[in-house]
Amino acid sequence: GAVVSQHPSWVICKSGTSVKIECRSLDFQATTMFWYRQFPKQSLMLMATSNEGSKATYEQGVEKDKFLINHASLTLSTLTVTSAHPEDSSFYICSASGTSTASTDTQYFGPGTRLTVL
Amino acid sequence: SQKIEQNSEALNIQEGKTATLTCNYTNYSPAYLQWYRQDPGRGPVFLLLIRENEKEKRKERLKVTFDTTLKQSLFHITASQPADSATYLCALDKANSGYALNFGKGTSLLVTP
Repeated sequence: GAVVSQHPSWVICKSGTSVKIECRSLDFQATTMFWYRQFPKQSLMLMATSNEGSKATYEQGVEKDKFLINHASLTLSTLTVTSAHPEDSSFYICSASGTSTASTDTQYFGPGTRLTVL
Repeated sequence: SQKIEQNSEALNIQEGKTATLTCNYTNYSPAYLQWYRQDPGRGPVFLLLIRENEKEKRKERLKVTFDTTLKQSLFHITASQPADSATYLCALDKANSGYALNFGKGTSLLVTP
């Protein structure tokens, strides 16, 4: 149980285009979803927290107009990287927590999405 | 600011031995601490959670200790196997961010036959 999927697993795009990444909780209702970013050899850095039906809360230094997050249902959150640039190339990982998981403070992570911006 | 330190040097051990990884934190009093495993190109996989009022927790070959005085957690893998080779991440609850996590950089473990 407590499986989180991400789509796509990898994407290559041209500079200036927008990319949407989906995060789904497959067998539980995710009241909260988190988006992290990980650069090579670095730790996961929290970008934003989203609660179903509410606006996302962004971490300091993360541009909310560039990284659009939508958490419209209890099983789906999307991250859209708008006008992507090469410096946005990274590994984007979502996680989810909620009711019916082992505990509300345990997060279940998706497999990640590798974004490469040319 | 919250700071989490994990040994950046890779840990190489022989199969069958016990691997011990360290996580230290400063400027912080976490309510709980978690350990995750991350394989290359994959998302983290949850292993264990230990709360501030717990000293030790075990799960199969895994053992975690949590010393809030030393501000340190130790993560042990007994009878290690080559399949245990991965990067292990320490994570603490991020202050004032609900259940969001603050991660260390991780320690790479290599278990050789």
